[in-house]
Amino acid sequence: RKEVEQDPGPFNVPEGATVAFNCTYSNSASQSFFWYRQDCRKEPKLLMSVYSSGNEDGRFTAQLNRASQYISLLIRDSKLSDSATYLCVVIPLTGGGNKLTFGTGTQLKVEL
Amino acid sequence: GAVVSQHPSRVICKSGTSVKIECRSLDFQATTMFWYRQFPKQSLMLMATSNEGSKATYEQGVEKDKFLINHASLTLSTLTVTSAHPEDSSFYICSARGQEPNYGYTFGSGTRLTVV
Repeated sequence: RKEVEQDPGPFNVPEGATVAFNCTYSNSASQSFFWYRQDCRKEPKLLMSVYSSGNEDGRFTAQLNRASQYISLLIRDSKLSDSATYLCVVIPLTGGGNKLTFGTGTQLKVEL
Repeated sequence: GAVVSQHPSRVICKSGTSVKIECRSLDFQATTMFWYRQFPKQSLMLMATSNEGSKATYEQGVEKDKFLINHASLTLSTLTVTSAHPEDSSFYICSARGQEPNYGYTFGSGTRLTVV
């Protein structure tokens, strides 16, 4: 089983739609969780951290479910500019020095 | 904010030659540098972790003699792909982690390597 799993998509949604992505992780002792955004042929950029209590940043809401070992990202009122690949990132609680473990990413395409 | 400059952004080389990729932290001291590789439609895979002044720690399956990492200063880390082959063609990205308060991970802009 992969450490971090995501549905690769693509998710094709109309502008203004609400879309949600899930990500599951295998290491129950994982300590930190993030969503990154990656545009084609570019480096990943931090979208938001994910906290146990859930957190919101504008149109984006992230939630963590430790019992079921998944995190989610909800995008409301999606814009054309939201089209990108969204990477779920986990820091496992190992002796590995805070290495980021990436999922394969979920591709989002927002269309007119 | 923290910036990591990665060069070159794109390189094409002949099979059997070596390629050096540089990552510089411009406004913070990168105590730890991570090197990733990303093949098309796949996730970023960690290749190695390096701390300034010490030998890099390589992930399982990554040949340390082929991918030479040098982290000689707190602002510069290099990855050299030696005797490159077409299967080494990939997107290579560095990520720097600084000291407090720059505990975040800052990515370089990536290097697209094509070996012909």
